[in-house]
Amino acid sequence: EVQLLESGGGLVQPGGSLRLSCAASGFPFRNYAMSWVRQAPGKGLEWVSVIYSGDSNTHYADSVKGRFTISRDNSKNTLYLQINSLRAEDTAVYFCAKGMTTVTVALQSWGQGTLVTVSS
Amino acid sequence: DIQMTQSPSSLSASLGDRVTITCRASQAISNYLAWYQQRPEKVPKLLIYGASTLQSGVPSRFSGSGSGTDFTLTISSLQPEDVATYYCQNYISAPLTFGGGTKVEIK
Repeated sequence: EVQLLESGGGLVQPGGSLRLSCAASGFPFRNYAMSWVRQAPGKGLEWVSVIYSGDSNTHYADSVKGRFTISRDNSKNTLYLQINSLRAEDTAVYFCAKGMTTVTVALQSWGQGTLVTVSS
Repeated sequence: DIQMTQSPSSLSASLGDRVTITCRASQAISNYLAWYQQRPEKVPKLLIYGASTLQSGVPSRFSGSGSGTDFTLTISSLQPEDVATYYCQNYISAPLTFGGGTKVEIK
């Protein structure tokens, strides 16, 4: 069974940083594209970032480009999201999600999410 | 960047009704379109990928159609457990944008 377990969220001041982690199990992690999606309170889904399998090519939403960095450690079956220069509008539940293949990013499985709150 | 526009933003229908949600992409995305269901306070769930392929375990009352820029999600007979917000997503290329969502309620 696919399991994705996010951690690392919390309350942080504007301008601060956090590193989110997503521990994956139940599938060959290295063979799948992985993504982060966020959802602000009461709002819709917002795609944040993707990292592909193989060459670990990455892409970001314009709203986070230059501030967020996605990475993966295939030896630890773990996905990361380093988030810097946090703003109030980054307050959201952050989900990690598994793509369908190495490059296909229809998101087949989702974690429960970790809440990031940016406030002074 | 590709923009995804869903309509309506919300709808209310009776049990057993046929429900249709549309999603329009700002440029052609072939069939690289996924639909997700998010029940209240739950994690999103993949319903359909490739515009029309039902994810394993999804009830057959759900169906998807379309290609290019115009797509449709249909629930053939609305059930109580279908109360949720539905999102489309383009996955042809980054940014992998979601539509704004359609909230489905029971009348």
